[in-house]
Amino acid sequence: DQQVKQNSPSLSVQEGRISILNCDYTNSMFDYFLWYKKYPAEGPTFLISISSIKDKNEDGRFTVFLNKSAKHLSLHIVPSQPGDSAVYFCAASENSGNTPLVFGKGTRLSVIA
Amino acid sequence: DTGVSQNPRHKITKRGQNVTFRCDPISEHNRLYWYRQTLGQGPEFLTYFQNEAQLEKSRLLSDRFSAERPKGSFSTLEIQRTEQGDSAMYLCASSFLNSFTDTQYFGPGTRLTVL
Repeated sequence: DQQVKQNSPSLSVQEGRISILNCDYTNSMFDYFLWYKKYPAEGPTFLISISSIKDKNEDGRFTVFLNKSAKHLSLHIVPSQPGDSAVYFCAASENSGNTPLVFGKGTRLSVIA
Repeated sequence: DTGVSQNPRHKITKRGQNVTFRCDPISEHNRLYWYRQTLGQGPEFLTYFQNEAQLEKSRLLSDRFSAERPKGSFSTLEIQRTEQGDSAMYLCASSFLNSFTDTQYFGPGTRLTVL
């Protein structure tokens, strides 16, 4: 059973608009969540993370929101740029990140100029 | 800091052969993880080390897989008697365990193709 789910395999957004990528999880023991970006033939690149003691974390154009009661998190990218086109993975772990990551299947974001 | 490096980047082998991959973590990172990624899936955990101690192995890691981190620095992942189902991207990540949060940084991966 998938503990981390990204239900949208793909998303297309116009340049300059907001991209919203969603992620749901089932394991209530998860307390640390991360987003990674992956280009073809490269390893995942860390983008942003959030601890379960927060409900929002912001870093430049990237903001992650966490709704613990709904077991849902989202990544907002504003404004979207063509270079943001990649596969985005949501990941989660227990014990403040001190356990192996559990990943979703990813969402492919295409930003159209 | 040069980041996590992995060698080789690509490996093509015939079924039944043994292969070994190497991972060099970020300096001073005491944790090292191995993941495997197949097409259309997210990375799946295989095993991880804290310094030289192997702390956990996934049930995905069959007896044909072995990993070591002999001096707590670089790590090797060996696959014996490779099968076509072993074809995947093998990813290594490292992190520094502290009292707060533990962010893992990934290398570029080794793409294995078993013919």
